[in-house]
Amino acid sequence: SAVISQKPSRDICQRGTSLTIQCQVDSQVTMMFWYRQQPGQSLTLIATANQGSEATYESGFVIDKFPISRPNLTFSTLTVSNMSPEDSSIYLCSLQWQPDNEQFFGPGTRLTVL
Amino acid sequence: AQSVAQPEDQVNVAEGNPLTVKCTYSVSGNPYLFWYVQYPNRGLQFLLKYITGDNLVKGSYGFEAEFNKSQTSFHLKKPSALVSDSALYFCAVRPSGGSYIPTFGRGTSLIVHP
Repeated sequence: SAVISQKPSRDICQRGTSLTIQCQVDSQVTMMFWYRQQPGQSLTLIATANQGSEATYESGFVIDKFPISRPNLTFSTLTVSNMSPEDSSIYLCSLQWQPDNEQFFGPGTRLTVL
Repeated sequence: AQSVAQPEDQVNVAEGNPLTVKCTYSVSGNPYLFWYVQYPNRGLQFLLKYITGDNLVKGSYGFEAEFNKSQTSFHLKKPSALVSDSALYFCAVRPSGGSYIPTFGRGTSLIVHP
């Protein structure tokens, strides 16, 4: 397993602003992911954060809205841009050591947009 | 495409009684199946997985799950529930080949009454 931390743990933001969420892992890992968990719903994969290249986004998510950085094998950021109340959600980073393994999740960032 | 169904939004059980949280899946080829638990205000924690081998899989905190290929099910079970087991439980599936990104179910809220 690994220790995964996320900052901030929660935030309340105004419509139209942006928030950057940080994910730090205590060891190097190749596969990192960003998920969204909307109230009462399941986890939805936003993108795979690739080290040294652009993130791979899932259908319905675009780089302009959710830019992702992955400068090294222990750190990634997700920015939620030009926020609206519909972006209110829990955002989770996760990692996977090998393709056949389970995923490990950070504690999440609870975002409320007013 | 792969999918997961957790037919119960909520399961209520008395402490000391056995519990079952249901999961059925659809996937091309052989499945990799996972259960995760989310305690309030925390990220997801891995409980157990089925990759291959014995159909009965044992995991953390006394939980187990049985893979049933004919019924395409992977129900989570525990012989004696604890109040501390109260949490949100997610089933996930991915095919053994191809994409290593799992699809998550909607989650089942387990409430264990004293």
